[in-house]
Amino acid sequence: ELKVEQNPLFLSMQEGKNYTIYCNYSTTSDRLYWYRQDPGKSLESLFVLLSNGAVKQEGRLMASLDTKARLSTLHITAAVHDLSATYFCAVARYNNNDMRFGAGTRLTVKP
Amino acid sequence: KAGVTQTPRYLIKTRGQQVTLSCSPISGHRSVSWYQQTPGQGLQFLFEYFSETQRNKGNFPGRFSGRQFSNSRSEMNVSTLELGDSALYLCASSLERLQETQYFGPGTRLLVL
Repeated sequence: ELKVEQNPLFLSMQEGKNYTIYCNYSTTSDRLYWYRQDPGKSLESLFVLLSNGAVKQEGRLMASLDTKARLSTLHITAAVHDLSATYFCAVARYNNNDMRFGAGTRLTVKP
Repeated sequence: KAGVTQTPRYLIKTRGQQVTLSCSPISGHRSVSWYQQTPGQGLQFLFEYFSETQRNKGNFPGRFSGRQFSNSRSEMNVSTLELGDSALYLCASSLERLQETQYFGPGTRLLVL
């Protein structure tokens, strides 16, 4: 069974600091997604990672994928208050019609 | 371009009833996927439609069904509603496949009493 673990579940950061959110999954997968959700809002797609070693960056966020370690990271550089949100990773295996989400990391960036 | 729209935005139903939710994708997008979000179970993938065919399906009972029309609009139906079906239902569209960037609608918040 495909399982996805995100950590930490809660993260409080100071503005200007760097931090990393981790997403571990239990079996081989076809693709890995990162999403952002603001309170009371819908999801926003951030990154789709398809292959080992894939790295994508958008602004202060950078996502990477290590399929051998079954690990993806979302790195936050020089955090700003606007990054406060909940971040989800999701892993998909479409041959098995399976897509599972992590529990989410609630990020709070404090001035 | 207009974004993904979902109707209705809010819905209250009673146990045993059925409900149909609608999703209109971004113009030109052919893939529509559906997700359920609850405080207890978190985010779960329901199904994905492409060219009027269900291409992928998550682990949900048969009470949950969907379809896609020739204009790519999609509907999701839940029959014999249970209290546990209370959730935020999100749909997302992408050009061709789920490995592309998805654009999410605002969601339909369903409350089952």
